[in-house]
Formats: sequence, C-alpha cells, structure tokens
Amino acid sequence: AQTVTQSQPEMSVQEAETVTLSCTYDTSESDYYLFWYKQPPSRQMILVIRQEAYKQQNATENRFSVNFQKAAKSFSLKISDSQLGDAAMYFCAYNNAGNMLTFGGGTRLMVKP
Amino acid sequence: NAGVTQTPKFQVLKTGQSMTLQCAQDMNHEYMSWYRQDPGMGLRLIHYSVGAGITDQGEVPNGYNVSRSTTEDFPLRLLSAAPSQTSVYFCASSYRRVYGYTFGSGTRLTVV
Repeated sequence: AQTVTQSQPEMSVQEAETVTLSCTYDTSESDYYLFWYKQPPSRQMILVIRQEAYKQQNATENRFSVNFQKAAKSFSLKISDSQLGDAAMYFCAYNNAGNMLTFGGGTRLMVKP
Repeated sequence: NAGVTQTPKFQVLKTGQSMTLQCAQDMNHEYMSWYRQDPGMGLRLIHYSVGAGITDQGEVPNGYNVSRSTTEDFPLRLLSAAPSQTSVYFCASSYRRVYGYTFGSGTRLTVV
C-alpha cells in the first residue's frame, strides 16, 4: 500500500511572499499521478495541480508549481506571490494505477497580511 | 452540470441507528469513492468503485456498506452508527486518472 506523508502540520507566509509545502510518498509502482488539493474553510476540495510520474518536467499552474523528485519520492508545492485567499488546508495525494487516491495528513497554510 | 451531489449536508444520528448517505454524479464518471475526514487528519478511503456493479474496500471499510447499481449513484450505508463514525464524509468521482477526482461538498455526520 502507498503512504503519503506531509511533515508540516502548519505553515505561515507573509502576503506576496513564497512558501513551499512538503510531501513525500512511498511506493513500488512506476506508473502514478500526484496531486495537490486545496481545502478552504468551506471544506470544498479543489484540485490545484497535477503531476504525472513519467513526466520529468515540473507542473506549473499560474502561481502554483511543484518540485517533483521521483528518485527521492518527493513532491513539494510552491506558492508564489501568496494571497489571502490561499489560506487553507493543502493535501498531497497519490493516485495509483487503479485510479485509487491516497491522501497525506494535510498542511494548514496561514497567510499574514 | 451539477458535478457530485451529496445529501444530506448535515446529519445527527443516535448510536445504533442506520442511515444512507447519498452520492450522485452527472458526469458519466466510472470511478467513484467515499472518504471520511476526521479533525487534524487527511481523507481516508472507505470504499471505492471502478464501475457499475464493481466495488471494493478501502482503508477503513468496517461499519460501512456500498453498492453501485448505476454509473450515477454510489450510496454509503452505515449499518449501526457508532460515535467513532462521527466525521465529515466526502464522495468523489473521476473519469480518468489524469483529471483527478471531483469532490462533493461533504456530509457532516454526528453520532451521539
């Protein structure tokens, strides 16, 4: 079974600054996807960014980018120019070959004005 | 296009009662899953389905049943509610892995 670990229960960042959230995972598979989901206080789960394991290029979506280190089984999320609306829980998730999603424990991001 | 619809949004049960959490999607997604989210924890997989008539257990299946008679619906049944089942429940569906999962808005369940 796959495991996903987010070692930072809470992080804070100053508005307009950059923050990086960490995620590591354990798997013996070579074919998988990785995702970051955002959960604001409304509790809605919002897909932020995705990365396919076969792609070496790191994914980017506007202010969000990832650092995917396959050999190290690391998948960190970088948020640039942080905004107050970025404050939320962020979950790293692993999607296996059978399209089954496993989540990490989450990181609470606080944004200071 | 409603996406993933969960009902009810809130529910209070007494210990020992049974109930069904409803989940429906209108996107013709083959994959559907149920998760529970406890305070300070991530989402844990209860049951999932890869298509109508096919279901399997996830990480925490005890005390829950599912069935998938149609592509659209994936209800979750609590057989005899226990306080340990107090949680927020999410239903999600997916078309293909590359698109990830689309989540419902959740059901907050309290068992007293």
